[in-house]
Amino acid sequence: NAGVMQNPRHLVRRRGQEARLRCSPMKGHSHVYWYRQLPEEGLKFMVYLQKENIIDESGMPKERFSAEFPKEGPSILRIQQVVRGDSAAYFCASSLYGTGANVLTFGAGSRLTVL
Amino acid sequence: KNEVEQSPQNLTAQEGEFITINCSYSVGISALHWLQQHPGGGIVSLFMLSSGKKKHGRLIATINIQEKHSSLHITASHPRDSAVYICAVGKTSGSRLTFGEGTQLTVNP
Repeated sequence: NAGVMQNPRHLVRRRGQEARLRCSPMKGHSHVYWYRQLPEEGLKFMVYLQKENIIDESGMPKERFSAEFPKEGPSILRIQQVVRGDSAAYFCASSLYGTGANVLTFGAGSRLTVL
Repeated sequence: KNEVEQSPQNLTAQEGEFITINCSYSVGISALHWLQQHPGGGIVSLFMLSSGKKKHGRLIATINIQEKHSSLHITASHPRDSAVYICAVGKTSGSRLTFGEGTQLTVNP
């Protein structure tokens, strides 16, 4: 019964390249959240998805960032034309139900470094 | 002002000491979460509570809804408790969590 699986754990990109981060939720969980943790800062919400739907993307930067959670396969957070300020840890979490009163299971995070 | 405030930001204790980390929030919530983050590691959910008190091993979490305040207590602290402890709230409107800045706890042997 694997938990939330994120990959890659570490990703290095040069400015202008694309970064793709993947998240497989816990078995049976259909609610996925992405959070970003900038160096020396707290966690910030980015996006909340259910299968094939974006429910809340109010925390996503307006440009270069996108997320999806297809019917089959993992959720993907995509960052186009990365800049140094995108360097951060990106955490995915999943839950059985989609309210703030449900236990979230977090992945180990994907650490993006932009050179 | 942040919707979720934690104190202290940093805490150093000697092994065996009783530790308290505080969290205050300013919004209506459906639940409050305490999370633990180890250096370079992932995030573990410790508690989710909407009223009263919960206990798990040496960890105790309490919440006072009227005062919009929660505490996380660690009894008989140990160096392996050293981590960042994060308070997060699920607001009554919406499903995402809003996080405090975290409390860095260091327990020295």
